[in-house]
Amino acid sequence: KAGVTQTPRYLIKTRGQQVTLSCSPISGHRSVSWYQQTPGQGLQFLFEYFSETQRNKGNFPGRFSGRQFSNSRSEMNVSTLELGDSALYLCASSSTGTSGRAGEQFFGPGTRLTVL
Amino acid sequence: GEDVEQSLFLSVREGDSSVINCTYTDSSSTYLYWYKQEPGAGLQLLTYIFSNMDMKQDQRLTVLLNKKDKHLSLRIADTQTGDSAIYFCAESNDYKLSFGAGTTVTVRA
Repeated sequence: KAGVTQTPRYLIKTRGQQVTLSCSPISGHRSVSWYQQTPGQGLQFLFEYFSETQRNKGNFPGRFSGRQFSNSRSEMNVSTLELGDSALYLCASSSTGTSGRAGEQFFGPGTRLTVL
Repeated sequence: GEDVEQSLFLSVREGDSSVINCTYTDSSSTYLYWYKQEPGAGLQLLTYIFSNMDMKQDQRLTVLLNKKDKHLSLRIADTQTGDSAIYFCAESNDYKLSFGAGTTVTVRA
């Protein structure tokens, strides 16, 4: 099976712009989670989608949003970018079902976002 | 609470065993995980242990879980230069994973 793919791998934006990142999960996986990784804060949970619905959300401002499509692919959007949004954004795919409990999560290579 | 703590650095000689330690706080965690991250890459799931287990072995990897002390360790036998990376311990908190800060393992010849 192909692994989790994320596009683009690298992005450079300026403050105030918005950005959309994409994630394709492992075939058959219906749960997609997003994490932000920064040197200062480490890995932090953004949100989780299952069957096109956001099931869970981390402690991030409303500028961070996402969605999931019927084929389980997911996008996340960050509007009005700030310097502090520079990070590696990781997507994780899981076969977790309706229980919502986190099982094995398989990560993609990430999108490195730099905000200037 | 959702605090996972790990030591930040470990230096080990090639061929020796590496032991990375981790403590967690959420006693209701169902699974505990070890991930590996190489420079410029995402997280690779190395292994995980269910909370009702004490030990899990997978080739060169051995995971030990002390649920009473909320202590998790990862032992890598016969450490190789390719094992140089950052290793993250994580606990499952219902729907998400909570990660430690990561242990940077450096393998020296």
